[in-house]
Amino acid sequence: DAGVTQSPTHLIKTRGQQVTLRCSPISGHKSVSWYQQVLGQGPQFIFQYYEKEERGRGNFPDRFSARQFPNYSSELNVNALLLGDSALYLCASRPSQGGHNEQFFGPGTRLTVL
Amino acid sequence: AQSVTQPDIHITVSEGASLELRCNYSYGATPYLFWYVQSPGQGLQLLLKYFSGDTLVQGIKGFEAEFKRSQSSFNLRKPSVHWSDAAEYFCAVGAFNTNAGKSTFGDGTTLTVKP
Repeated sequence: DAGVTQSPTHLIKTRGQQVTLRCSPISGHKSVSWYQQVLGQGPQFIFQYYEKEERGRGNFPDRFSARQFPNYSSELNVNALLLGDSALYLCASRPSQGGHNEQFFGPGTRLTVL
Repeated sequence: AQSVTQPDIHITVSEGASLELRCNYSYGATPYLFWYVQSPGQGLQLLLKYFSGDTLVQGIKGFEAEFKRSQSSFNLRKPSVHWSDAAEYFCAVGAFNTNAGKSTFGDGTTLTVKP
Protein backbone atom coordinates (compact mmCIF):
# COMPACT_ATOMS: atom_id res chain seq x y z
CA ASP A 1 0.00 0.00 0.00
CA ALA A 2 1.15 3.51 -0.74
CA GLY A 3 2.06 5.73 2.17
CA VAL A 4 1.09 9.33 2.66
CA THR A 5 1.81 11.31 -0.49
CA GLN A 6 2.29 15.05 -0.80
CA SER A 7 2.58 17.38 -3.76
CA PRO A 8 4.44 19.26 -4.91
CA THR A 9 7.80 18.19 -3.53
CA HIS A 10 9.31 21.63 -3.76
CA LEU A 11 7.82 25.05 -4.33
CA ILE A 12 9.25 28.54 -4.69
CA LYS A 13 7.01 31.57 -4.21
CA THR A 14 7.48 35.28 -3.64
CA ARG A 15 6.21 37.34 -0.74
CA GLY A 16 2.51 38.14 -0.94
CA GLN A 17 1.64 35.19 -3.15
CA GLN A 18 -0.68 32.35 -2.24
CA VAL A 19 0.15 28.64 -2.18
CA THR A 20 -1.79 25.37 -2.05
CA LEU A 21 -0.24 22.16 -0.81
CA ARG A 22 -1.84 18.77 -1.27
CA CYS A 23 -1.90 15.58 0.74
CA SER A 24 -3.28 12.10 0.08
CA PRO A 25 -3.59 9.95 3.20
CA ILE A 26 -3.01 6.25 3.45
CA SER A 27 -5.98 4.33 2.08
CA GLY A 28 -8.59 3.92 4.81
CA HIS A 29 -7.25 6.75 6.95
CA LYS A 30 -9.82 9.40 7.70
CA SER A 31 -7.80 11.83 9.82
CA VAL A 32 -5.23 14.21 8.36
CA SER A 33 -2.99 16.62 10.23
CA TRP A 34 -0.69 19.34 8.93
CA TYR A 35 2.59 20.45 10.48
CA GLN A 36 5.10 23.19 9.71
CA GLN A 37 8.77 22.44 10.26
CA VAL A 38 11.07 25.43 10.12
CA LEU A 39 14.75 24.66 9.59
CA GLY A 40 16.39 23.66 12.85
CA GLN A 41 13.13 23.12 14.73
CA GLY A 42 10.67 20.36 15.35
CA PRO A 43 7.34 20.16 13.52
CA GLN A 44 4.59 22.47 14.77
CA PHE A 45 0.96 21.47 14.58
CA ILE A 46 -1.19 23.55 12.22
CA PHE A 47 -4.47 21.69 11.66
CA GLN A 48 -6.23 18.39 12.16
CA TYR A 49 -9.14 17.30 9.98
CA TYR A 50 -11.40 14.32 10.46
CA GLU A 51 -14.40 13.43 8.34
CA LYS A 52 -14.02 16.72 6.46
CA GLU A 53 -14.30 18.85 9.60
CA GLU A 54 -11.62 20.83 11.37
CA ARG A 55 -10.95 19.14 14.71
CA GLY A 56 -7.97 21.12 15.91
CA ARG A 57 -5.99 24.21 15.08
CA GLY A 58 -2.56 25.29 16.22
CA ASN A 59 -1.28 28.79 16.89
CA PHE A 60 -1.13 29.99 13.29
CA PRO A 61 -2.61 33.13 11.73
CA ASP A 62 -5.77 33.15 9.65
CA ARG A 63 -3.62 33.26 6.51
CA PHE A 64 -3.41 29.50 6.98
CA SER A 65 -6.46 27.46 6.04
CA ALA A 66 -7.17 23.89 5.07
CA ARG A 67 -9.89 21.57 3.97
CA GLN A 68 -10.53 17.88 3.61
CA PHE A 69 -12.35 16.31 0.71
CA PRO A 70 -14.83 13.39 0.61
CA ASN A 71 -11.99 11.04 -0.37
CA TYR A 72 -10.12 12.24 2.77
CA SER A 73 -7.37 13.99 0.85
CA SER A 74 -6.53 17.45 2.09
CA GLU A 75 -5.25 20.83 0.97
CA LEU A 76 -3.36 23.41 2.99
CA ASN A 77 -3.62 27.00 1.76
CA VAL A 78 -1.40 29.86 2.82
CA ASN A 79 -2.24 33.40 1.72
CA ALA A 80 -0.10 36.54 1.67
CA LEU A 81 3.12 34.59 2.04
CA LEU A 82 5.85 35.92 4.30
CA LEU A 83 9.53 35.04 4.32
CA GLY A 84 8.94 33.27 7.62
CA ASP A 85 6.56 30.82 5.96
CA SER A 86 9.55 29.13 4.34
CA ALA A 87 9.53 25.63 5.81
CA LEU A 88 8.91 21.95 5.25
CA TYR A 89 5.17 21.28 5.43
CA LEU A 90 4.34 17.79 6.61
CA CYS A 91 1.09 15.94 6.31
CA ALA A 92 0.24 13.00 8.56
CA SER A 93 -2.65 10.57 8.47
CA ARG A 94 -4.31 8.26 11.01
CA PRO A 95 -7.09 5.74 10.71
CA SER A 96 -9.40 7.66 13.06
CA GLN A 97 -9.61 10.76 15.19
CA GLY A 98 -8.77 9.20 18.53
CA GLY A 99 -7.33 5.98 19.83
CA HIS A 100 -3.84 4.56 20.07
CA ASN A 101 -2.93 4.64 16.42
CA GLU A 102 0.14 6.60 15.54
CA GLN A 103 0.41 9.16 12.77
CA PHE A 104 2.08 8.30 9.49
CA PHE A 105 3.96 11.16 7.90
CA GLY A 106 4.45 12.03 4.27
CA PRO A 107 7.77 13.22 2.82
CA GLY A 108 6.72 16.86 3.01
CA THR A 109 6.59 19.85 0.70
CA ARG A 110 9.53 22.21 0.88
CA LEU A 111 8.24 25.80 0.48
CA THR A 112 10.70 28.60 -0.16
CA VAL A 113 9.43 32.18 -0.03
CA LEU A 114 11.66 34.79 -1.67
CA ALA B 1 0.15 23.23 27.95
CA GLN B 2 2.14 20.30 26.70
CA SER B 3 5.81 20.66 25.83
CA VAL B 4 8.85 18.59 24.96
CA THR B 5 12.48 19.42 25.68
CA GLN B 6 15.41 17.71 24.03
CA PRO B 7 18.40 19.13 25.92
CA ASP B 8 21.05 18.00 23.46
CA ILE B 9 21.04 19.84 20.13
CA HIS B 10 23.89 17.80 18.67
CA ILE B 11 25.51 14.53 19.75
CA THR B 12 28.53 12.81 18.21
CA VAL B 13 29.29 9.15 18.90
CA SER B 14 31.70 6.65 17.41
CA GLU B 15 30.35 3.77 15.38
CA GLY B 16 29.76 0.82 17.67
CA ALA B 17 29.40 2.97 20.78
CA SER B 18 26.21 3.19 22.79
CA LEU B 19 23.77 6.06 22.43
CA GLU B 20 21.31 7.81 24.70
CA LEU B 21 19.17 10.73 23.55
CA ARG B 22 17.34 12.64 26.24
CA CYS B 23 13.72 13.77 26.21
CA ASN B 24 11.73 15.50 28.92
CA TYR B 25 8.04 16.23 28.55
CA SER B 26 5.31 18.20 30.23
CA TYR B 27 1.76 16.92 29.86
CA GLY B 28 -1.32 17.23 32.01
CA ALA B 29 -2.59 13.68 31.63
CA THR B 30 -1.19 10.28 30.79
CA PRO B 31 1.18 10.99 27.93
CA TYR B 32 1.37 9.20 24.63
CA LEU B 33 5.08 9.39 23.75
CA PHE B 34 6.91 8.91 20.49
CA TRP B 35 10.38 8.94 19.02
CA TYR B 36 10.80 9.72 15.33
CA VAL B 37 13.83 9.80 13.05
CA GLN B 38 14.23 12.16 10.11
CA SER B 39 16.89 11.88 7.43
CA PRO B 40 17.83 15.06 5.52
CA GLY B 41 14.96 16.32 3.39
CA GLN B 42 12.71 13.44 4.41
CA GLY B 43 9.56 13.00 6.43
CA LEU B 44 9.37 11.45 9.86
CA GLN B 45 9.66 7.74 10.54
CA LEU B 46 8.30 6.35 13.79
CA LEU B 47 10.91 4.47 15.84
CA LEU B 48 8.74 3.55 18.82
CA LYS B 49 5.82 4.67 20.95
CA TYR B 50 4.63 4.35 24.53
CA PHE B 51 1.18 4.66 26.01
CA SER B 52 0.96 2.23 28.87
CA GLY B 53 2.32 -1.04 30.17
CA ASP B 54 5.97 -1.99 30.32
CA THR B 55 7.98 1.20 30.70
CA LEU B 56 10.78 -0.14 28.51
CA VAL B 57 9.63 -0.23 24.90
CA GLN B 58 11.37 -1.74 21.93
CA GLY B 59 11.32 -0.15 18.52
CA ILE B 60 12.68 -0.62 15.06
CA LYS B 61 16.35 -0.55 14.06
CA GLY B 62 17.45 -1.79 17.50
CA PHE B 63 16.24 1.27 19.42
CA GLU B 64 14.56 1.20 22.81
CA ALA B 65 13.21 3.86 25.14
CA GLU B 66 12.39 3.96 28.82
CA PHE B 67 9.47 5.90 30.27
CA LYS B 68 10.12 7.35 33.73
CA ARG B 69 7.05 9.10 35.07
CA SER B 70 8.83 10.45 38.16
CA GLN B 71 11.38 12.22 35.96
CA SER B 72 8.98 13.09 33.11
CA SER B 73 11.48 11.53 30.78
CA PHE B 74 11.42 9.23 27.78
CA ASN B 75 15.03 8.67 26.77
CA LEU B 76 16.01 6.81 23.62
CA ARG B 77 18.85 4.30 23.66
CA LYS B 78 20.76 2.04 21.33
CA PRO B 79 23.53 -0.30 22.49
CA SER B 80 25.65 -0.08 19.35
CA VAL B 81 25.33 2.73 16.82
CA HIS B 82 25.72 2.18 13.08
CA TRP B 83 26.83 4.82 10.59
CA SER B 84 23.37 4.68 9.03
CA ASP B 85 21.86 5.96 12.30
CA ALA B 86 23.18 9.46 11.58
CA ALA B 87 20.04 11.58 11.33
CA GLU B 88 17.84 13.93 13.35
CA TYR B 89 15.77 12.48 16.16
CA PHE B 90 12.56 13.96 17.50
CA CYS B 91 10.69 13.18 20.67
CA ALA B 92 6.97 13.97 20.70
CA VAL B 93 4.04 13.85 23.09
CA GLY B 94 0.45 13.44 22.01
CA ALA B 95 -3.03 12.53 23.10
CA PHE B 96 -5.17 9.53 22.36
CA ASN B 97 -8.52 11.24 22.54
CA THR B 98 -10.08 13.52 19.97
CA ASN B 99 -6.81 15.45 19.76
CA ALA B 100 -4.81 12.39 18.78
CA GLY B 101 -3.80 14.01 15.51
CA LYS B 102 -2.02 16.79 17.36
CA SER B 103 1.46 16.06 18.61
CA THR B 104 3.93 18.41 20.24
CA PHE B 105 7.53 17.89 19.16
CA GLY B 106 10.86 18.79 20.65
CA ASP B 107 13.38 20.67 18.52
CA GLY B 108 15.34 17.53 17.80
CA THR B 109 18.80 16.11 18.40
CA THR B 110 21.18 15.75 15.48
CA LEU B 111 23.23 12.58 15.67
CA THR B 112 26.62 12.40 13.98
CA VAL B 113 28.38 9.02 13.83
CA LYS B 114 32.18 8.97 13.61
CA PRO B 115 33.84 6.06 11.78
